[in-house]
Amino acid sequence: KNEVEQSPQNLTAQEGEFITINCSYSVGISALHWLQQHPGGGIVSLFMLSSGKKKHGRLIATINIQEKHSSLHITASHPRDSAVYICAVLGMRYGGSQGNLIFGKGTKLSVKP
Amino acid sequence: ETGVTQSPTHLIKTRGQQVTLRCSSQSGHNTVSWYQQALGQGPQFIFQYYREEENGRGNFPPRFSGLQFPNYSSELNVNALELDDSALYLCASRLGGGWYGYTFGSGTRLTVV
Repeated sequence: KNEVEQSPQNLTAQEGEFITINCSYSVGISALHWLQQHPGGGIVSLFMLSSGKKKHGRLIATINIQEKHSSLHITASHPRDSAVYICAVLGMRYGGSQGNLIFGKGTKLSVKP
Repeated sequence: ETGVTQSPTHLIKTRGQQVTLRCSSQSGHNTVSWYQQALGQGPQFIFQYYREEENGRGNFPPRFSGLQFPNYSSELNVNALELDDSALYLCASRLGGGWYGYTFGSGTRLTVV
């Protein structure tokens, strides 16, 4: 079982829909990243959070440390939101392998006009 | 801030050859991590350098090696290339020693034929 699990793997939505992507993890973490990867590979960090909720424009990220779960929401989705969204956790221990990001496999989002 | 720059962007090598990939960290970042992302998969941790010392390594064979220089730029070297080494190689930097987020490069797409 992977340490970071995302669902769904693939998601197709119509423009304007509200989208939720989920991430569950099994390790102790100090922080969690939500990342966006467009075709061609470059990764952009959308959020880093360790508790509660963060909002940036139409994007909202929440995390529940006790339940080891995080969600990324996109309101009023748009075709330009089409990308792969990746959840990555930063382990508790600084340095060593757990001081680094452990990635989920990503959720491929396609928003149709 | 100049961000993280990786070079080259694309590379084709023959099985058995050696390759060096380069990464310039974001200004002020002393920690750099390298990740391998196979097609359709999430990135996998290769290793991390903090102030020129390797301080974490994932499940990759010794033919994957690296260096971090005094200016915190970094190299990933892969010897005796295999077909399965074909992947996107991502570099990410951060300010270590605390809870700081990662900045990612756009990656190097390596194809081994």
